[in-house]
Amino acid sequence: AQTVTQSQPEMSVQEAETVTLSCTYDTSENNYYLFWYKQPPSRQMILVIRQEAYKQQNATENRFSVNFQKAAKSFSLKISDSQLGDTAMYFCAFMKATGANSKLTFGKGITLSVRP
Amino acid sequence: SAVISQKPSRDICQRGTSLTIQCQVDSQVTMMFWYRQQPGQSLTLIATANQGSEATYESGFVIDKFPISRPNLTFSTLTVSNMSPEDSSIYLCSVEVARGGYGYTFGSGTRLTVV
Repeated sequence: AQTVTQSQPEMSVQEAETVTLSCTYDTSENNYYLFWYKQPPSRQMILVIRQEAYKQQNATENRFSVNFQKAAKSFSLKISDSQLGDTAMYFCAFMKATGANSKLTFGKGITLSVRP
Repeated sequence: SAVISQKPSRDICQRGTSLTIQCQVDSQVTMMFWYRQQPGQSLTLIATANQGSEATYESGFVIDKFPISRPNLTFSTLTVSNMSPEDSSIYLCSVEVARGGYGYTFGSGTRLTVV
């Protein structure tokens, strides 16, 4: 079974600064996908970024980037130039690459507050 | 990717009653997933709903408590039966964005409070 660990329950960052959210996972799979989801107070789950485990290059999406360390089973999210709208709960998630409709396993989440 | 309409967005219910949550997808999907998110917690998969067959439930969840319907490829319902305050949670439905590990898209959630 897969597990996803987010050990920091909450973090705070000043607007325009950079913040890194940590995530580690445990799996015996070699091929899988990793995701960061954002859940603002509206409750809507929003996909922020995804990483394919067979790709060494770290994924980037505008101000969001990841540091994927496969050997260490680490998948951290860096948010640059933090904005007030980044205030949300962030979930790290794992999915096996075994065809369609594979399940998502979520970490416990981290609450990020961006201070004006 | 698919767009999901979920309703109701919130409800306050008396203990012992039941609530049915609906999810409508704007495209045909093979499977739909139902999650529970207890206050301040992560998402836990309740069951996977496949059209034309019974839903597959995760450990700790049973059909009598959370019956699911999947009458066609664009619609599903989750019923929370015989509710107690411990059922107060956010319930979300989800579908796969596309094959190839592109993740899942979620409905906007139903915030259920049982009093």
